[in-house]
Amino acid sequence: AIRMTQSPSSFSASTGDRVTITCRASQGISSYLAWYQQKPGKAPKLLIYAASTLQSGVPSRFSGSGSGTDFTLTISCLQSEDFATYYCQQYYSYSWTFGQGTKVEIK
Amino acid sequence: EVQLVESGGGLVKPGGSLRLSCAASGFTFSSYSMNWVRQAPGKGLEWVSSISSSSSYIYYADSVKGRFTISRDNAKNSLYLQMNSLRAEDTAVYYCARDQRETPTPHDAFDIWGQGTMVTVSS
Repeated sequence: AIRMTQSPSSFSASTGDRVTITCRASQGISSYLAWYQQKPGKAPKLLIYAASTLQSGVPSRFSGSGSGTDFTLTISCLQSEDFATYYCQQYYSYSWTFGQGTKVEIK
Repeated sequence: EVQLVESGGGLVKPGGSLRLSCAASGFTFSSYSMNWVRQAPGKGLEWVSSISSSSSYIYYADSVKGRFTISRDNAKNSLYLQMNSLRAEDTAVYYCARDQRETPTPHDAFDIWGQGTMVTVSS
């Protein structure tokens, strides 16, 4: 199975900060990558698919980039509602795999 | 409103069985591949199984292969997960999730998720 590795696992940031989360695949996955946001006790929410396409209704401060093995999720101006855990997921080949998650906490 | 609602979770002893259901509404269920994803307490997301719109393609994670069976009833707009030979490590919240596009095979991001149902395997 393709292994997805996110970094960092957690970090603290302030409202208004620009933050970047990285995701690396153990082999090339083209652009078959999604990013999800999850808040405590809630289901994950799709933010970005095809590595860089913003899901309908998701604020434009979220953006994604990359292809092949290296990907990034950027939040341009962190808002209070963005403190959550973020997961990348490859859907290039079975079995689908998720990164271990990155928790964004309030500084 | 597009919605997925899981049910059937609960407490079961090791070696026992449980059947989860996911009721879909607000979209043409029969056109979409569907998935089960689980999350152990305090842990990350783990894909469990996927089924294509016509049930022609079915996939399982190695961790559940041979023990879990995914199925669907398009006439009832429902997705199922039959879980047998349950182990403590199967304890998790189980989510059903929809593939984003109407494609013949599961091969997409998951755009709609249910609220999850908790499965606890313990003696």
